[in-house]
Amino acid sequence: QVQLKESGPGLVQPSETLSLTCTVSGFSLTSYSVSWVRQPSGKGPEWMGRMWYDGDTAYNSALKSRLSISRDTSKNQVFLKMNSLQTDDTGTYYCTRDSAWGQGVMVTVSS
Amino acid sequence: DVVLTQTPVSLSVTLGDQASISCRSSQSLEYSDGYTYLEWYLQKPGQSPQLLIYEVSNRFSGVPDRFIGSGSGTDFTLKISRVEPEDLGVYYCFQATHDPNTFGAGTKLELK
Repeated sequence: QVQLKESGPGLVQPSETLSLTCTVSGFSLTSYSVSWVRQPSGKGPEWMGRMWYDGDTAYNSALKSRLSISRDTSKNQVFLKMNSLQTDDTGTYYCTRDSAWGQGVMVTVSS
Repeated sequence: DVVLTQTPVSLSVTLGDQASISCRSSQSLEYSDGYTYLEWYLQKPGQSPQLLIYEVSNRFSGVPDRFIGSGSGTDFTLKISRVEPEDLGVYYCFQATHDPNTFGAGTKLELK
């Protein structure tokens, strides 16, 4: 059964760096790609980026300068790091694989 | 980046009606492998988006056959025949043909 679970801090200070982990089960990261999607409250989802099965990455053009996605295949984990956070980065962050979505983690950027 | 334009922004229907949502892309979504990676999602309040349709017209497992996806190139449509209460929510189209992938802005389906 394909499962994804996001983890990370719920509160981040403005200008700080967000670090999230997506732990997957039921499939191999070397066979399937995993994407990160975020959604501000009351707004539509925004695709952030992807870790391809071969280790390559792709990023949202608007976030590319401050976003990094990496992985540890031995731990079945995909990581998201985004720096210089501002209040409009507040929202729910999801990792996804095809039709499967994690439950999401709510991130609030506030001092 | 590919821009997906969804219309209408909101749609008020009576239960049992048909609903139709359009998604237009700023460039062709046909990939070099011949597939078109255009998907439709439904998001209900408090839930993550759920996949309804993939590759334009393929219903995901468990999706009722009243959901029909069609289109090609840059023009795509999701039709819902005989709207039921569980169909209410916000619909998004999504393209995975081009990097970066992008979502449409959404269409809210609500009761008249």
